[in-house]
Amino acid sequence: AQKITQTQPGMFVQEKEAVTLDCTYDTSDPSYGLFWYKQPSSGEMIFLIYQGSYDQQNATEGRYSLNFQKARKSANLVISASQLGDSAMYFCAMREAPGSARQLTFGSGTQLTVLP
Amino acid sequence: GAVVSQHPSWVICKSGTSVKIECRSLDFQATTMFWYRQFPKQSLMLMATSNEGSKATYEQGVEKDKFLINHASLTLSTLTVTSAHPEDSSFYICSARVETSGLQETQYFGPGTRLLVL
Repeated sequence: AQKITQTQPGMFVQEKEAVTLDCTYDTSDPSYGLFWYKQPSSGEMIFLIYQGSYDQQNATEGRYSLNFQKARKSANLVISASQLGDSAMYFCAMREAPGSARQLTFGSGTQLTVLP
Repeated sequence: GAVVSQHPSWVICKSGTSVKIECRSLDFQATTMFWYRQFPKQSLMLMATSNEGSKATYEQGVEKDKFLINHASLTLSTLTVTSAHPEDSSFYICSARVETSGLQETQYFGPGTRLLVL
């Protein structure tokens, strides 16, 4: 079963508008962390934002905010005031507590295109 | 923030040759490094977890004799694609974990290596 699901292969947004990228996850572990990464065409993975399963408030980092709905197991990324430089692939990822490696599991990604 | 480098950034090789990719943590020590593989327009797939001083842990379906991983020091892990074939052409990304407690451990990614096997 997919642990991280991103249902939007591609999204378009007008410059300066807000956009929401969807992410749902599946875990039976009460302790987990959720991450969003941005991957521009150059290939580098850029960390954007983190949300812990026990965090009471939604995470925010500048223009990025995470709409965390624990009961629905969703962790959508909201980008406000989109800029042309936001055009990239966006990945949602999860880290679960069990296991010493605690590796990240990635979703399939959403290609965001910001239109001028 | 912490920096992870990869070398080479891209490589073209003939089928049957071996290719070594280096991953270095430049300003921190990483007891654990991860190797990912990414095909165009697809997600990152974890290949193996590399632990300093011990054998790598490979994910199911990844041939350990094909993808040799060595983590000889706290700042260097290498991935060697042995007897590369065209189907091994891909984008290989390493990442290094900064050891902290809790789930918010930051995982820094290298810039990736594009491999093209002719």
